[in-house]
Amino acid sequence: QSALTQPASVSGSPGQSITISCTGTSSDVGNYNLVSWYQQHPGKAPKLMIYEGSKRPSGVSNRFSGSKSGNTASLTISGLQAEDEADYYCCSYAGSSTFHVVFGGGTKLTVL
Amino acid sequence: QEQLVESGGGLVKPGGSLRLSCAASGFTFSDYYMSWIRQAPGKGLEWVSYISSSGIIIYYADSVKGRFTISRDNAKNSLYLQMNSLRAEDTAVYYCARVRGIPRSYFDYWGQGTLVTVSS
Repeated sequence: QSALTQPASVSGSPGQSITISCTGTSSDVGNYNLVSWYQQHPGKAPKLMIYEGSKRPSGVSNRFSGSKSGNTASLTISGLQAEDEADYYCCSYAGSSTFHVVFGGGTKLTVL
Repeated sequence: QEQLVESGGGLVKPGGSLRLSCAASGFTFSDYYMSWIRQAPGKGLEWVSYISSSGIIIYYADSVKGRFTISRDNAKNSLYLQMNSLRAEDTAVYYCARVRGIPRSYFDYWGQGTLVTVSS
């Protein structure tokens, strides 16, 4: 199973909106609405930001939203803030007979 | 609040073994499926293994199948990963994480990670 494809980097200015894409195949992203997104600051553990495509865990800002079209999922961050600067990883469920998830390669978000 | 704390990482020679532990607190450990996920230095995340709440259902990534063994002790609120025949490419920070969803598809709490370095 190949990793999901994410852009290596994206950037935006404070207050702007950015979108990070996550492209998979009809076996993973396209077949299930089960993409999750994780934020990781340097030296820290990943933090769940979006699950099951578009749901936000309690405590996560509503500036973070998730969507999907075909084989591509997207994470949108609106009203960019300095603390949003981090690495972001997508993850998709990809199996029904066995537990199987596949991660994206990660995207470095820079807040200019 | 929910907390996961890994331990047991360190420097090991190729072909060697290591056992990682993950101590859980703040939630009913025996109710949840758990996973190990790793991150090589400067690289992305890779799912390693998964165990059901009872320990009956277990899966491994192809890259570790036959070498790693996941287990849990619900009485001790602990998750383990026995790693044998270690290779240089197993060098990574290893995270334990709680698995959620139906089907199980995402990880809602992560530990801080423990570094495993495989080198001669």
